[in-house]
Parts: sequence; structure tokens; C-alpha cells
Amino acid sequence: DAGVIQSPRHEVTEMGQEVTLRCKPISGHNSLFWYRQTMMRGLELLIYFNNNVPIDDSGMPEDRFSAKMPNASFSTLKIQPSEPRDSAVYFCATSTGGSSNQPQHFGDGTRLSIL
Amino acid sequence: QQQVKQSPQSLIVQKGGISIINCAYENTAFDYFPWYQQFPGKGPALLIAIRPDVSEKKEGRFTISFNKSAKQFSLHIMDSQPGDSATYFCAASPYFDFNKFYFGSGTKLNVKP
Repeated sequence: DAGVIQSPRHEVTEMGQEVTLRCKPISGHNSLFWYRQTMMRGLELLIYFNNNVPIDDSGMPEDRFSAKMPNASFSTLKIQPSEPRDSAVYFCATSTGGSSNQPQHFGDGTRLSIL
Repeated sequence: QQQVKQSPQSLIVQKGGISIINCAYENTAFDYFPWYQQFPGKGPALLIAIRPDVSEKKEGRFTISFNKSAKQFSLHIMDSQPGDSATYFCAASPYFDFNKFYFGSGTKLNVKP
């Protein structure tokens, strides 16, 4: 079975550029999560969606970050304009959702470097 | 504020030994406690999870021990192998927002051959 697919795997760009990260969830999973991982702050939840609707975006660092889920099989995380402090590994995770805790399945991440 | 405190930060164990990683929390609303394993260049992968109605859960060489009164839980890896060398994260999720996972800071385990 295909897991969570993220693209690109690596992204290097200059400060000020727009960055778009992509995620394809596991088929049938109704909840989608975007995380950021850094040495200093560990694994932080940025935003999550249930049935394509954003539920909690309290972890989004600032207005430069935005996320969308136009349909059940695709989500994007956009940073505009990007800054060096945005350099991190960004993970997308999905779960079946529902009415109780379900394990989250992670993609292999996008390693983002802002120069 | 770290909702889940994890220790140690790093751990070196000889092959065949027992690896023990500890986590503690304060929020009594947490009722789901998964452990994740992460290899370099990969995303975290679910290893084992426990709910507070049991004190222990075992899957192969991996065991979670849970102490509800102390608000602590730990991962034990028996007969540790070099292939277990990875970073381990504990997490906790509250009953009222079960989609939200709060992760510990991670433990980097190195199992020496």
C-alpha cells in the first residue's frame, strides 16, 4: 500500500522566494496534519484538516504560512515569502480520523533549506 | 511549554541489552500515548501505543509501561539490536482533541554491536 507521499523531498531556495510543499494522503484517510521538525523545537504541529476542512491552525507560525486541502487526495503548505529561519524538515501525516484516537502515518518529509 | 517531557536525550546500549526511555506529562486529559520510531531521512513510524486503562502493553521486544498516578510512561526495548538504532518519540493526545498529538523531544538510541 502506498503511504503518505510528499514532494519535493529536498528544496533549496533563496530568502524571499515562495515555497510550496505537497502531500498526497493515504487513500481513505480523512485527517491530514502538517508538522515541522527542527533540532531546537522538535516536532511541532502546524495545522490539521478533517475532511478537507482546516480545524486547528494555531501552530502556524505567522501569516507567511498557509495551507490548503482542495480535495481528499491533495494538500499544500505554502511559505511566502520564505526566510532562513523556516529551514526545517516538514512532514505531512494522515490518519483515518473518526471519533477516537487513531495513529498518524507520516510521510518521509521535505527537507527545506532557505539561503 | 513542553507538554510531554522525554528523557534521556541520547542513549547508548550494548547489543542484547535493555533500552529504557521515559516520558512524563501533567495534563490529565491525555488518554492516548503512542511511541514513534524515526530513522534518518525518514518520517516517524508508529511503534506501539497504549491507553491509560492498562498498565503495560507488549509487542515483540517492545513494551510500554504506564503509571497513571505518576503520570509517567516508558518504552522498554528488550534484547536491543543495532537495527534498533534510531530516534524514539513519545507522544500524548487528549480525549477532547484526539487528533492533536503532543510529542516529546526525542531520544537518540545507539545500539553498539
